[in-house]
Amino acid sequence: EMQLLESGGDLVQPGGSLRLSCAASGFTFSSYAMTWVRQRPGKGLEWVSAISGTGGNIYYADSVQGRFIISRDNSKNTVYLQMNSLRVEDTAVYHCAKGRGERWLPHHWGQGTLVTVSS
Amino acid sequence: QSALTQPASVSGSPGQSITISCTGTGRVVVTDDLVSWYQHHPGKAPKLMIYDGNKRPSGVSNRFSGSKSGNTASLTISGLQAEDEADYYCCSYLGSGTWVFGGGTKVTVL
Repeated sequence: EMQLLESGGDLVQPGGSLRLSCAASGFTFSSYAMTWVRQRPGKGLEWVSAISGTGGNIYYADSVQGRFIISRDNSKNTVYLQMNSLRVEDTAVYHCAKGRGERWLPHHWGQGTLVTVSS
Repeated sequence: QSALTQPASVSGSPGQSITISCTGTGRVVVTDDLVSWYQHHPGKAPKLMIYDGNKRPSGVSNRFSGSKSGNTASLTISGLQAEDEADYYCCSYLGSGTWVFGGGTKVTVL
């Protein structure tokens, strides 16, 4: 059975850093792009970042470009989101998702991990 | 500003059909093969219900269907059931592996 398990969410002060992890199982991890999507409190879903199966292609939303870094370790079946210069508006539940097809459509999702940015 | 606009809420009685609309604005062009729909029960993992406009992943009930007219995509839920009460999001491809989501629609089963 395919599973995605996010971890690393925490309370952090504005300007701080945090690294999220998403451990995958039940599929050939290196064959699929992976995506991070977040949901701010009381708001809708927001696409954040995506990385190809090899890690050679990476994309970011404008709202996180230059502050967040997505990476993956295919030997550990894990994708990461390094979050730097955190802002209050980055407070959200962060979900990872397995990409489908050539457009990397977020298909199977994890339940998410909560990041709270507050002083 | 590129966005997808959805109604905040839609409701219906058990057994009825409801339709949720999703209209592209700005540079978001709603095309047949680029729109997806997700069901999200709060606290759970979102679930892909429709992709490429009108295709259902394995295991998704055929009570869910997608369509498009002009720059508006729609999700129809027929034979509404209590378990369908959730938030629904449309999603469109912007290119280069990036996607934009609508604001979400809360479906209430009366």
